[in-house]
Amino acid sequence: GAVVSQHPSRVICKSGTSVKIECRSLDFQATTMFWYRQFPKQSLMLMATSNEGSKATYEQGVEKDKFLINHASLTLSTLTVTSAHPEDSSFYICSASGQGDEQYFGPGTRLTVT
Amino acid sequence: AQSVAQPEDQVNVAEGNPLTVKCTYSVSGNPYLFWYVQYPNRGLQFLLKYITGDNLVKGSYGFEAEFNKSQTSFHLKKPSALVSDSALYFCAVRLFGNQFYFGTGTSLTVIP
Repeated sequence: GAVVSQHPSRVICKSGTSVKIECRSLDFQATTMFWYRQFPKQSLMLMATSNEGSKATYEQGVEKDKFLINHASLTLSTLTVTSAHPEDSSFYICSASGQGDEQYFGPGTRLTVT
Repeated sequence: AQSVAQPEDQVNVAEGNPLTVKCTYSVSGNPYLFWYVQYPNRGLQFLLKYITGDNLVKGSYGFEAEFNKSQTSFHLKKPSALVSDSALYFCAVRLFGNQFYFGTGTSLTVIP
């Protein structure tokens, strides 16, 4: 089946620095990629939707200047958390969809901001 | 507005007993409904989906779900629970543009 990878799986960064998370579709072309944020024992909150070659569409309340999303190719999307703060610590999950109905999820990235 | 509700935060069931994880939805038009499972510190794994056709959908790991249009429900079921089924389960509805809206999740614990 379709495989989506995320890198890194875990990252610890200092407050004020930026961190980039990569999401790759390994065996299919992802026309759309999604970025979610998940707090402990809570559901996934959609942050943004990105289509290859165009600007991401952010959900209400998500700061687009803080969470920079780039979808430069059909197999790669990146999320950059700029000027990270401790409250940005969370589990970030990407997903990708091709031509079908399903979304394929990455394994997630645990971000800890100290 | 589109929504998905999982009324139970926690479900406990004894190993070998049948399990049910509840989901109700509110969408306009014909719903595309999904179930995903999440293990600790992992992404979501697809279990099954309902798009059209038979109301009883069979999925991975022996799970099945029944689409009930009159009750707007899509409950997840398994005839005999395993300890390894203990995880977080999410019901989801697919919206316009392949966007998914997830329920709040139900933590399933199967007791040996």
